[in-house]
Amino acid sequence: SSELTQDPAVSVALGQTVRLTCQGDSLRTYYASWYQQKPGQAPLLVIYGKNNRPSGIPDRFSGFTSGDTASLTITGAQAEDEADYYCQSRDINGVHLWVFGGGTKLTVL
Amino acid sequence: QVHLVQSGAEVKEPGSSVKVSCKGSGGTFSSHGISWVRQAPGQGLEWMGGITPMFGSPNYVQKFQGRVTINVDELRSTAYMEVSSLSSDDTAVYYCARDGDTAMVYWGQGTLVTVSS
Repeated sequence: SSELTQDPAVSVALGQTVRLTCQGDSLRTYYASWYQQKPGQAPLLVIYGKNNRPSGIPDRFSGFTSGDTASLTITGAQAEDEADYYCQSRDINGVHLWVFGGGTKLTVL
Repeated sequence: QVHLVQSGAEVKEPGSSVKVSCKGSGGTFSSHGISWVRQAPGQGLEWMGGITPMFGSPNYVQKFQGRVTINVDELRSTAYMEVSSLSSDDTAVYYCARDGDTAMVYWGQGTLVTVSS
């Protein structure tokens, strides 16, 4: 199956901008989606497709893909953005298969 | 609004099986795929497999082939996932999620399965 690689942990100062990255061969073919997960909660979709936000997701969240790397940018990070973030895409081995990255723990200082 | 409601927590002995349900409401259940994702304690998300009701056949990650069974009852708008030959490594929260073209917008609340003797 495909693999998506994320940095295990990233920190950002309150109000600053942070970029989380996700690397994998499948991203050359498929868009990445990004999920935010807080302790004890189900994942929440924050970015999907080229750069789309579901209803209710603040516009400080944005996505971008270049080559085999997708990124999630939080412009002006807030305390409530502290969470685990997972990227996801279709698996290059089959359109009905999915794969997740290992996740990045974001700390807002 | 779409809601996915999962069955309650389970405690199972090693070697046994568990079946988790995921009932959908709102939207057209059969026209979207349903995925099952698990998360072991302190670990990341792991896609296990899924099914698109209108296409019928489920798809599984290779590591779960033969031990996980996913099906759907369209009349009850309910998807099921059964895991057999449980071991302590299967202790996890199991989520169902509705597939979109590029992402999973709607998620169940999760079902904790604890495997312990």
